[in-house]
Amino acid sequence: GEDVEQSLFLSVREGDSSVINCTYTDSSSTYLYWYKQEPGAGLQLLTYIFSNMDMKQDQRLTVLLNKKDKHLSLRIADTQTGDSAIYFCAESWYSSASKIIFGSGTRLSIRP
Amino acid sequence: SAVISQKPSRDICQRGTSLTIQCQVDSQVTMMFWYRQQPGQSLTLIATANQGSEATYESGFVIDKFPISRPNLTFSTLTVSNMSPEDSSIYLCSAAFRTGGRDEQYFGPGTRLTVT
Repeated sequence: GEDVEQSLFLSVREGDSSVINCTYTDSSSTYLYWYKQEPGAGLQLLTYIFSNMDMKQDQRLTVLLNKKDKHLSLRIADTQTGDSAIYFCAESWYSSASKIIFGSGTRLSIRP
Repeated sequence: SAVISQKPSRDICQRGTSLTIQCQVDSQVTMMFWYRQQPGQSLTLIATANQGSEATYESGFVIDKFPISRPNLTFSTLTVSNMSPEDSSIYLCSAAFRTGGRDEQYFGPGTRLTVT
């Protein structure tokens, strides 16, 4: 079945690292994504990882994939107030030209 | 990345009327999609807009309620027909691009629809 799950809320202190977790059920997923949605804005593709990779790093973002446990995480280093948003984990099966199944989203809030 | 625009950005409509949302992409794309994001919820795929043929609808969505057009490779429309308050959502279009040998999917800014 198609199911992507995330916790709904995360609160971190400015300057700390944020870790947003996601689990998915379909082991045939080939692409796993992280999207960011700021208030009143559309979706921004942050990064994605192929299912044959364990890790991907892009500046302050680190994506870790544990395919055995079907667990995906997004780590944001040195979290800033501009990182406040909803973060969606998502998966697709063939390519990113295929339909994407989204998780419920994690609302990240930053406290001073 | 590509530029995807949607019109209108928001609208307030009366029950029983219909609204057509436009999605314009700044380059030709093969695949375009329409998603719905209900208040406080995640995104759900409504349909894949196919150029030159009928759209492919996901379970729970039908053509009579959500007719879609895709007249060319840069443009698509979604109509929300015979609206009810339950149709109040953000409607987003997306398009898949080939970038650096990979396919990437980008989203428009969304159309916020309120039905009274």
